[in-house]
Amino acid sequence: AQRVTQPEKLLSVFKGAPVELKCNYSYSGSPELFWYVQYSRQRLQLLLRHISRESIKGFTADLNKGETSFHLKKPFAQEEDSAMYYCALSGLSGNTGKLIFGQGTTLQVKP
Amino acid sequence: DAGVTQSPTHLIKTRGQQVTLRCSPKSGHDTVSWYQQALGQGPQFIFQYYEEEERQRGNFPDRFSGHQFPNYSSELNVNALLLGDSALYLCASTLEGFSYEQYFGPGTRLTVT
Repeated sequence: AQRVTQPEKLLSVFKGAPVELKCNYSYSGSPELFWYVQYSRQRLQLLLRHISRESIKGFTADLNKGETSFHLKKPFAQEEDSAMYYCALSGLSGNTGKLIFGQGTTLQVKP
Repeated sequence: DAGVTQSPTHLIKTRGQQVTLRCSPKSGHDTVSWYQQALGQGPQFIFQYYEEEERQRGNFPDRFSGHQFPNYSSELNVNALLLGDSALYLCASTLEGFSYEQYFGPGTRLTVT
């Protein structure tokens, strides 16, 4: 079964602390993994995708196929990082853009 | 470019009624997907339209149907509404061949009483 699991509903850290948002997936095949973010009163938007291997707003995520994980990390959290984060996957083969989302993790960065 | 737009913003319906939600994709995009997001959950894929045809469908009953028009805009129709259909309905658009980045609309909040 295709599934994305985000074990934490809420992650609360202080400004300047490291952040790790966990994401595990199950998929039979070669998935493409994404992190989407939704800031307060804004629409859902793509943060990063594993294929691009970019660092966006200081966030990075490495695909670990052995552990089927795609954790999102940032070494020093900022208050503006407070948002809802969703991990999502899509199948690479015959990819038509269907996204399977996790339940989301709310990141709260305290001053 | 206003990006993906959806109408209406909010909607209240009674059980058993029918509803139509509308979506205009981002300029230049030709593919539209619909998602249902229940409170506290991640978005769930309903279906996707490309070239005016349903190309892929998630695990939703036939009460959920859609349409895509020649200008790429799309409608989501839900018949025989149930209380459990209350959710935020999101539309996302992309350009065929670049489906790795989907642009989401602000959503339509549907409440079924």
